[in-house]
Amino acid sequence: RKEVEQDPGPFNVPEGATVAFNCTYSNSASQSFFWYRQDCRKEPKLLMSVYSSGNEDGRFTAQLNRASQYISLLIRDSKLSDSATYLCVVMGGSARQLTFGSGTQLTVLP
Amino acid sequence: DVKVTQSSRYLVKRTGEKVFLECVQDMDHENMFWYRQDPGLGLRLIYFSYDVKMKEKGDIPEGYSVSREKKERFSLILESASTNQTSMYLCASTSMGRNNYEQYFGPGTRLTVT
Repeated sequence: RKEVEQDPGPFNVPEGATVAFNCTYSNSASQSFFWYRQDCRKEPKLLMSVYSSGNEDGRFTAQLNRASQYISLLIRDSKLSDSATYLCVVMGGSARQLTFGSGTQLTVLP
Repeated sequence: DVKVTQSSRYLVKRTGEKVFLECVQDMDHENMFWYRQDPGLGLRLIYFSYDVKMKEKGDIPEGYSVSREKKERFSLILESASTNQTSMYLCASTSMGRNNYEQYFGPGTRLTVT
């Protein structure tokens, strides 16, 4: 079983749609959680952190459920520029190591 | 603006060749990482370094070695390249500070071993 699992997609949605991505992790000792974004042929970049209380950054909302070991990302009012691969990332026992999911591909269609 | 650079964007090598991938960061970061990214597998950690001359194995170190002689530079070495090392290689760095989860990535090197 992979440490971090994501639905690979692809998700093809029209502009303005709301789309949700899910992610599960296997290590219950994981400490911190993040979403990274990777544009086509580009490097990954941090999108946002994920907290148990849930956090929002504009159109993006991230949620963590530690009991179910489940992380989600919700994107409201999708824009063409949101098209990218979204990587679920977990920080484990060593504070310096991140474990990446294989990513969920999103295409927002005009 | 933070910057991580990698020596090549594309590289083609023959089986058995020794390959050097260089990574330089200008942010005075203590921690540096080498990953490979393959379709369906995501990013997998090869090696990382906390400080000059320090190195630790990641999840898939076999067939690779690293060198960190200067704080800003972290090199990945394939002693004898094999076709299963064809991949995208990404270097990253981060500081020891509070936000050490934000790794800054280089643009990647797409290595093909024939």
